[in-house]
Amino acid sequence: EPEVTQTPSHQVTQMGQEVILRCVPISNHLYFYWYRQILGQKVEFLVSFYNNEISEKSEIFDDQFSVERPDGSNFTLKIRSTKLEDSAMYFCASRLGRANYGYTFGSGTRLTVV
Amino acid sequence: AQSVTQLGSHVSVSEGALVLLRCNYSSSVPPYLFWYVQYPNQGLQLLLKYTSAATLVKGINGFEAEFKKSETSFHLTKPSAHMSDAAEYFCAVTEANAGGTSYGKLTFGQGTILTVHP
Repeated sequence: EPEVTQTPSHQVTQMGQEVILRCVPISNHLYFYWYRQILGQKVEFLVSFYNNEISEKSEIFDDQFSVERPDGSNFTLKIRSTKLEDSAMYFCASRLGRANYGYTFGSGTRLTVV
Repeated sequence: AQSVTQLGSHVSVSEGALVLLRCNYSSSVPPYLFWYVQYPNQGLQLLLKYTSAATLVKGINGFEAEFKKSETSFHLTKPSAHMSDAAEYFCAVTEANAGGTSYGKLTFGQGTILTVHP
């Protein structure tokens, strides 16, 4: 069964450093998402991406965050200057088309900011 | 705006007992509803989904859920718990707009950790 692949599985970075989280969505999917889950809290929507542009973003997704789909395969989330509160599990998801097709999630990247 | 409430952050059952995980949603438009399961150190796996067809939805691993519009609920059940069902379960909602072309962000509940005792 097709999978969404996320790398790395765990990343430790120093506060103020830039990080790039990588995702390879399912190849024929059209909608792409990033979510995050701070330890002990609910999964939160960050951003959706369709047709090579951001379609929706949450209040969390401020100027420190950016997304890119540079080569039609990878889908990346960049955090420009990490803060301690960015420590979380970050999930990438993709969807083929209409919402009733369902969403496929990756296994996540655990980001630890020290 | 859409929201999801999962009643009970922890549910504990004995092996073989009924599993009932509660989910109530709020949505201003017809919803699509999902249950996901997360095993330790793993991603989110889709258990089942309601997308405006049958109100009783069957999923993987013997789970099912019933969409009740009048109660704005989508509770997850399994007749007989197995040790392997121990995990965290998330209910999620997205809006199904008339054209079915919603960008479709998912809004998640807080999660319910299911513990199964031998």
